[in-house]
Amino acid sequence: GAGVSQSPRYKVAKRGQDVALRCDPISGHVSLFWYQQALGQGPEFLTYFQNEAQLDKSGLPSDRFFAERPEGSVSTLKIQRTQQEDSAVYLCASSLAQFDRRFFGPGTRLTVL
Amino acid sequence: GQQLNQSPQSMFIQEGEDVSMNCTSSSIFNTWLWYKQDPGEGPVLLIALYKAGELTSNGRLTAQFGITRKDSFLNISASIPSDVGIYFCAGQLSGSSNTGKLIFGQGTTLQVKP
Repeated sequence: GAGVSQSPRYKVAKRGQDVALRCDPISGHVSLFWYQQALGQGPEFLTYFQNEAQLDKSGLPSDRFFAERPEGSVSTLKIQRTQQEDSAVYLCASSLAQFDRRFFGPGTRLTVL
Repeated sequence: GQQLNQSPQSMFIQEGEDVSMNCTSSSIFNTWLWYKQDPGEGPVLLIALYKAGELTSNGRLTAQFGITRKDSFLNISASIPSDVGIYFCAGQLSGSSNTGKLIFGQGTTLQVKP
């Protein structure tokens, strides 16, 4: 596709449910980043992939957050046992290489009730 | 998490006026970036700065990478209604352990009155 796509665009979950958020990066982009953006705040780094290798997961807030990119293309961010504080927009970005220009997707807005 | 100190938080200006916003950090960055985010969309890159002291323009936008490498500013000249949105600064830390992650400011919300 022409840009980074994310699905679903909106997700409502009950507290305690598991959710999976998908990111389709731009074809050929080696690097993939996940960010969390709380309401009224700037994005905060969660994790970074280079191809299928997860090289930095220092931003994941707890062990309930898990990300994967098994074939070095599509990535999934999974949140287990969701809590209200997980409510945020989850942004995915990809770039040709690690320090190249990053292109952001539209985000998935997660609301945990 | 770590965030940059961005100001002002919001601005409400008349069309045609110039706008200035800035970011400061206690850490040294090797790259400064400025993004604009529209509602329901991801941030879009406006200007990238890679060298201390660098001054770069993109149309009506001008940004500078501070000499100390701990600050940056963005100016928008002759604002128009489509400049409305949230502007974010973002920095990339120096150091060999850097994986390319960006640290963002809290954002400046710009509203332009026609």
